[in-house]
Amino acid sequence: GAGVSQSPSNKVTEKGKDVELRCDPISGHTALYWYRQRLGQGLEFLIYFQGNSAPDKSGLPSDRFSAERTGESVSTLTIQRTQQEDSAVYLCASSLTGTGVADTQYFGPGTRLTVL
Amino acid sequence: KQEVTQIPAALSVPEGENLVLNCSFTDSAIYNLQWFRQDPGKGLTSLLLIQSSQREQTSGRLNASLDKSSGRSTLYIAASQPGDSATYLCAVGTSGSRLTFGEGTQLTVNP
Repeated sequence: GAGVSQSPSNKVTEKGKDVELRCDPISGHTALYWYRQRLGQGLEFLIYFQGNSAPDKSGLPSDRFSAERTGESVSTLTIQRTQQEDSAVYLCASSLTGTGVADTQYFGPGTRLTVL
Repeated sequence: KQEVTQIPAALSVPEGENLVLNCSFTDSAIYNLQWFRQDPGKGLTSLLLIQSSQREQTSGRLNASLDKSSGRSTLYIAASQPGDSATYLCAVGTSGSRLTFGEGTQLTVNP
C-alpha cells in the first residue's frame, strides 16, 4: 500500500514569508508526527497528533510554528515569518495507534526547506 | 531528558565484514527502541523495533539487541554489502509518542 507522502519535496522561500508543508499519513494510522532535521544534526521531535488533537506539541521551537490535522488524515505544518535557522528537512511519520510498545513509526521522504 | 548517543559516528569497512553499531540512552524508562536507515535525500526506513520487554530482534542479516538496564542497544550487520551503505539511526520511544534520535552512524561498505 501507499506509504507516508509529503509535499512539496523541496521549498525555497525568502526570509519573512510564510510556508505550509503537507503530510499524508498511511491510511488508517491514528498517530502522526512531525520532526525536523537540520544539516548535519539528528532528528528533533516537533509535534505529535492523536487523531486531530495534539497531546504533545512541546517540540515546536517558537510560536511561529503551528500544525493542524484533519481527522485521521492530512496534516499541515505552517511556519510563519520564516527565518534562515528554519532551513532543514521536515519529516513526517505516522503510526497505527500512537501508543504501545509495538507501535512502529513510518516516515515520509521529507520536505527540504531553504530560507534565503 | 532522554539523550541518545551513537558510536561510532562513521565507519568504513570492506565488503563481507561483520560489524556492530552501538547506541546508548540515558533514561531506561522506554517503551521501545527502533533502528532506521537513512539514505541520502530520502526518508527513514524502519529496520527493527525492539519492545522494552524484549532482548533482541532479527531480520535477515540484521540483529538488534537491547539491554534496558544498562541503557544500550547494538545493531549487528552480518556479511556487509555495498548496498548497506547508509546512515543508521537509533531512536528511543517513550510514552508511546515521540522518538528521541541519536545522531547516527554513517556506514560505508567498500566493494
